[in-house]
Amino acid sequence: GNSVTQMEGPVTLSEEAFLTINCTYTATGYPSLFWYVQYPGEGLQLLLKATKADDKGSNKGFEATYRKETTSFHLEKGSVQVSDSAVYFCALNVPGNTPLVFGKGTRLSVIA
Amino acid sequence: SQTIHQWPATLVQPVGSPLSLECTVEGTSNPNLYWYRQAAGRGLQLLFYSVGIGQISSEVPQNLSASRPQDRQFILSSKKLLLSDSGFYLCAWSVGTDGSYEQYFGPGTRLTVT
Repeated sequence: GNSVTQMEGPVTLSEEAFLTINCTYTATGYPSLFWYVQYPGEGLQLLLKATKADDKGSNKGFEATYRKETTSFHLEKGSVQVSDSAVYFCALNVPGNTPLVFGKGTRLSVIA
Repeated sequence: SQTIHQWPATLVQPVGSPLSLECTVEGTSNPNLYWYRQAAGRGLQLLFYSVGIGQISSEVPQNLSASRPQDRQFILSSKKLLLSDSGFYLCAWSVGTDGSYEQYFGPGTRLTVT
C-alpha cells in the first residue's frame, strides 16, 4: 500500500541551526509529494510540494527535493527561527482522485 | 480566492449529547471534501471524504457520520458523543490541478467531551 514515514520527533534546535526532517515514502505509480506545517492551535498549511522526480519545492526558506531513487522528500532549512516551531507533516498523493496519505508528523521546537 | 470556514471554533459537550460540526468552502466548485480528527499530540486520522453531493466514503467505523447536503458544505455529526470523540477536527478541500490533489485545511474545531 501507500505510506509515508517521517523521522520521530520531537526535534529541538537552537535558533539559526540547520534543519533536516527526513521523509520516505512507498507508493504505487508516481506520486506528488507535499510538506504541510501546523502551528499550535491551527489547521495545516501547505508549505511546499513537488509533482515529479528531481523537482525541488521551496517556500519561506524551506526546501525539499523529490528523490525517486531513494523514495525520499526530506525537508531542509538553512537557519531556523523560533517562529518555525510547529508540527511538520509529509504527505503523498498517488495519481487519481484519492485522499492524501500523511506521515505521523514531526514536532519541531526552536529555542532562542 | 478560495476560503474554508469551520464552526464552531471550540465546543464542550457532555457524553451522550449530539454533535454537529459544519464546514463550508467558498470560491471553488465541486471540491473534494474531507473530515480529519487529530487527538492530542497525535497525527491525522481521516474520518470521511466526499467527491460530490451525497457521496460519502467512511474510513473508520465509529459513532460519527457525515453528510454533504450542498456542493460546498460538509457536516460531521454524532447522535451520542463518547469521551473518545474529544479532539481537534479539521475539514479540508481539494481540487485536482494537473492531477495533483493538494488539500487545503480549515482552522479546525476543538471538541472536548466531558
